[in-house]
Amino acid sequence: TQLLEQSPQFLSIQEGENLTVYCNSSSVFSSLQWYRQEPGEGPVLLVTVVTGGEVKKLKRLTFQFGDARKDSSLHITAAQPGDTGLYLCAGTTSNSGYALNFGKGTSLLVTP
Amino acid sequence: SAVISQKPSRDICQRGTSLTIQCQVDSQVTMMFWYRQQPGQSLTLIATANQGSEATYESGFVIDKFPISRPNLTFSTLTVSNMSPEDSSIYLCSVGGGYEQYFGPGTRLTVT
Repeated sequence: TQLLEQSPQFLSIQEGENLTVYCNSSSVFSSLQWYRQEPGEGPVLLVTVVTGGEVKKLKRLTFQFGDARKDSSLHITAAQPGDTGLYLCAGTTSNSGYALNFGKGTSLLVTP
Repeated sequence: SAVISQKPSRDICQRGTSLTIQCQVDSQVTMMFWYRQQPGQSLTLIATANQGSEATYESGFVIDKFPISRPNLTFSTLTVSNMSPEDSSIYLCSVGGGYEQYFGPGTRLTVT
């Protein structure tokens, strides 16, 4: 059972455009993480959010955790080719302890 | 964050054989996790391996197929036994510090 639904699955944009990736669930999460994975490498942690309504910024990336802790979004401003990669959301629930449930990922391609 | 290495980085194995994957961490950690990432897919948790206790397997994964060792706080192995082409995947270990997890580079396994 996929607890986390990510959308869109694929996204191809030009450099300078803005984009938003969504991560939704019917379950409540204790925490939610966003990772970026490049080919041949393991996922790299971008951010962790734990409080409903929390907003975190990492340079041009803005992460938001929904008030009910069931959804999250990642917004990238003025995308650059270096942002290309697979973006994964993952969360922990009260049942999973610290084990992560992953969404299916959003594959982002930013072209110059 | 911890620095995690995996060996081998990739391997091509014949059907019916077994492969042991090593995961080494540069610091002592209590929680380690093993994930599988099938081609073009997201990550699926195989098991949680905490030092001093038996590994806990997720639904669909069994100890006879994926035996895990965790002899100390910096090392773990995952064996993929009696392999079939369906086992062709990337296998990743991760370590946890609270809600955050950090991943190794992965082992790309191809079974022929």
